[in-house]
Amino acid sequence: NAGVTQTPKFRILKIGQSMTLQCTQDMNHNYMYWYRQDPGMGLKLIYYSVGAGITDKGEVPNGYNVSRSTTEDFPLRLELAAPSQTSVYFCASSETSGGAIEQFFGPGTRLTVL
Amino acid sequence: AQSVSQHNHHVILSEAASLELGCNYSYGGTVNLFWYVQYPGQHLQLLLKYFSGDPLVKGIKGFEAEFIKSKFSFNLRKPSVQWSDTAEYFCAVSSGNTGKLIFGQGTTLQVKP
Repeated sequence: NAGVTQTPKFRILKIGQSMTLQCTQDMNHNYMYWYRQDPGMGLKLIYYSVGAGITDKGEVPNGYNVSRSTTEDFPLRLELAAPSQTSVYFCASSETSGGAIEQFFGPGTRLTVL
Repeated sequence: AQSVSQHNHHVILSEAASLELGCNYSYGGTVNLFWYVQYPGQHLQLLLKYFSGDPLVKGIKGFEAEFIKSKFSFNLRKPSVQWSDTAEYFCAVSSGNTGKLIFGQGTTLQVKP
């Protein structure tokens, strides 16, 4: 199993550009999550999904959109990129959500907005 | 709102020293507690977790953590660190059935050989 994969690994955007961060998992997990990590701030949840066709906002959803058309894929869309979106983005997945269920993380996408 | 606080942002230890990283959370209900680790150049991975039962939990690579409900704490310990423990450590909390994790700020551990 490849686990959780993310593309691209690095990206530089200009202010106002848009892009999609890709996330795919091959573990047949129902739950998927997008986090961003800013220096010294830990990870913050952007959006999550409990299954295909179902998404919901996390702590910091503004400026982002997601879709979940398949179990495997959970892309994160940035519209009108802003410098405040410079961050490292992590996608994660888990089998279920109840109890202390482990989330499996991807390698991250480092995004810089100039 | 839930929050997680990690006391130390950057810790430097020599090999064989003992380690304790503090973690406190604010939430009055039932919580699930986690420690994740990110080794240089690698994915975040689970170190250990607590759901219920014995408040002293053991994880991979000789790490353990103790849940003290009265103190809202879940401190991570290791009796003798190795150079390979150099990494960033994150405490996290979830509650209910959403699985959403609230992370602390992270602690960077540097172990000198």
